[in-house]
Amino acid sequence: GAGVSQTPSNKVTEKGKYVELRCDPISGHTALYWYRQSLGQGPEFLIYFQGTGAADDSGLPNDRFFAVRPEGSVSTLKIQRTERGDSAVYLCASSAQGTSPLHFGNGTRLTVT
Amino acid sequence: QKEVEQDPGPLSVPEGAIVSLNCTYSNSAFQYFMWYRQYSRKGPELLMYTYSSGNKEDGRFTAQVDKSSKYISLFIRDSQPSDSATYLCAMRTGYGQNFVFGPGTRLSVLP
Repeated sequence: GAGVSQTPSNKVTEKGKYVELRCDPISGHTALYWYRQSLGQGPEFLIYFQGTGAADDSGLPNDRFFAVRPEGSVSTLKIQRTERGDSAVYLCASSAQGTSPLHFGNGTRLTVT
Repeated sequence: QKEVEQDPGPLSVPEGAIVSLNCTYSNSAFQYFMWYRQYSRKGPELLMYTYSSGNKEDGRFTAQVDKSSKYISLFIRDSQPSDSATYLCAMRTGYGQNFVFGPGTRLSVLP
């Protein structure tokens, strides 16, 4: 079956602009996670959804970052007033219910110029 | 001190060598442990998933967890050039909790 799909694969935007990053999880996976990965670093947790609700958003760096999952499947990570420091690879992962491991997409590489 | 530590490498070994990759952690509540492999410009790919202490083997890969020492290891036997990648360890405390990742170790297997 299809894995986790993320679009776009690359996004270049100017400082101050708004961006949306999309994640389509593995079918049937109820848990969805967003991580951010900078060069040479491990993934850093941003937010976790169980179904439609954000179960843990403690990793969002500030109120410019917001994520939704309105129907419990596709999720969108939204970043307002982008800054150069937001440049990173944004990874989405999903897992089946319970304590299953994460399955990742290939990420969206965001560059803020 | 970071919650999960890994030697960043790079670690270079000849083809056919046994590779040992390690992580240490500080949170004794971690119970679920994972190893991921990440190729350049790709997402992490799950290799091994273990619960609590003990060993788990899958093909050329063996994962070990020593909770008393807060130390986990991944062994790769008969390493191949295609194993050249960054290896990430990850762990979580339990259901509904987020996964915490180490910074990764870069491995290069030379033909």
